[in-house]
Amino acid sequence: EDQVTQSPEALRLQEGESSSLNCSYTVSGLRGLFWYRQDPGKGPEFLFTLYSAGEEKEKERLKATLTKKESFLHITAPKPEDSATYLCAVETYNTDKLIFGTGTRLQVFP
Amino acid sequence: KAGVTQTPRYLIKTRGQQVTLSCSPISGHRSVSWYQQTPGQGLQFLFEYFSETQRNKGNFPGRFSGRQFSNSRSEMNVSTLELGDSALYLCASSQPGQGVNEQFFGPGTRLTVL
Repeated sequence: EDQVTQSPEALRLQEGESSSLNCSYTVSGLRGLFWYRQDPGKGPEFLFTLYSAGEEKEKERLKATLTKKESFLHITAPKPEDSATYLCAVETYNTDKLIFGTGTRLQVFP
Repeated sequence: KAGVTQTPRYLIKTRGQQVTLSCSPISGHRSVSWYQQTPGQGLQFLFEYFSETQRNKGNFPGRFSGRQFSNSRSEMNVSTLELGDSALYLCASSQPGQGVNEQFFGPGTRLTVL
């Protein structure tokens, strides 16, 4: 069965303290891996799509990387406005639907 | 380009009632997917509509149904509401092609069942 696991469940960082969020997946035939950011009471906001192992994408303080088994979302020198839940999802060749992890709740303190 | 819109944003219903939620996709997007989000289960896929046809379905009971209109707008209906149906219902639109299915989400409808 296709599965996506995110860790840690929650992460507290001091402003400027860099860290990484993990998304590990077990799927049969990865078509793409997606990262979303979700603020409380709002819908997920699209961040990145990664297609193949070795690929990297960057946006401001965020960098997403992909291997054959997992993806990392690196946050460099985070600011309080980076506080949100970060969701990872995969799409496989077997189905067009997205399978989501349960997310990592990030809190950045000044 | 306007984003995905959902109405209403908040709903309060009682057990046994039914509810209809609406979603307008990004202009040009022909696929609409619906998700249920709860603190315990995270985002769970309900179903996907493409060109007025249900293309995928998640593991939800038949009380959950949907449809899509010729303008790609979609509605989701839940009949005989239960307390456990309280959740944030999200719709996402996309334009499936030969690549991955990048989905863009609306703000959601918060449903509370009393």
